[in-house]
Amino acid sequence: DVKVTQSSRYLVKRTGEKVFLECVQDMDHENMFWYRQDPGLGLRLIYFSYDVKMKEKGDIPEGYSVSREKKERFSLILESASTNQTSMYLCASSLIGRSGETQYFGPGTRLLVL
Amino acid sequence: RKEVEQDPGPFNVPEGATVAFNCTYSNSASQSFFWYRQDCRKEPKLLMSVYSSGNEDGRFTAQLNRASQYISLLIRDSKLSDSATYLCAVTQGGSARQLTFGSGTQLTVLP
Repeated sequence: DVKVTQSSRYLVKRTGEKVFLECVQDMDHENMFWYRQDPGLGLRLIYFSYDVKMKEKGDIPEGYSVSREKKERFSLILESASTNQTSMYLCASSLIGRSGETQYFGPGTRLLVL
Repeated sequence: RKEVEQDPGPFNVPEGATVAFNCTYSNSASQSFFWYRQDCRKEPKLLMSVYSSGNEDGRFTAQLNRASQYISLLIRDSKLSDSATYLCAVTQGGSARQLTFGSGTQLTVLP
């Protein structure tokens, strides 16, 4: 079974703090993704990576950065957290290839920015 | 217009009912299609892929209509445990074959 883990289930931070969200997958997947999910807006792609040290912007990258130093780990960074970044953050991974689009999700991190 | 659109519901159906959801997509170049299930406060989990010829998995049937650019999910003999939000997802191409998700359809199966 694919396993995607995220460092925290719940996180409370203050406005202006730097926030790190970590994601680790154990299935040697090339692709990794960060989404946020908000009521009525669904899942929105923040950043993704298809290889170590590679990253590409998704639909809503503003206010976020990412790091992928190892294949299994993909970090999302909020440089200066703001209240509008309060959300559920979901990490996902997938394989490259014919069946590569199937994405497997971590349990999510609920972030509250005060 | 959103790239992937779903009726948010909620759909409230009695146990044993048949219920169907549609999902429309705008990118005619999309190649792969999926239905995910998301339970309250949990992560989305793959329910089934959608193949061109249609496919069935037990009580669940998925179909693709490329001409009209929509996919559908049919659930027969609904169970209480089917209560969840159902998300459709469509590939948009690109280097990592990223998916675009609909915002989900909420289903509640009532006893």
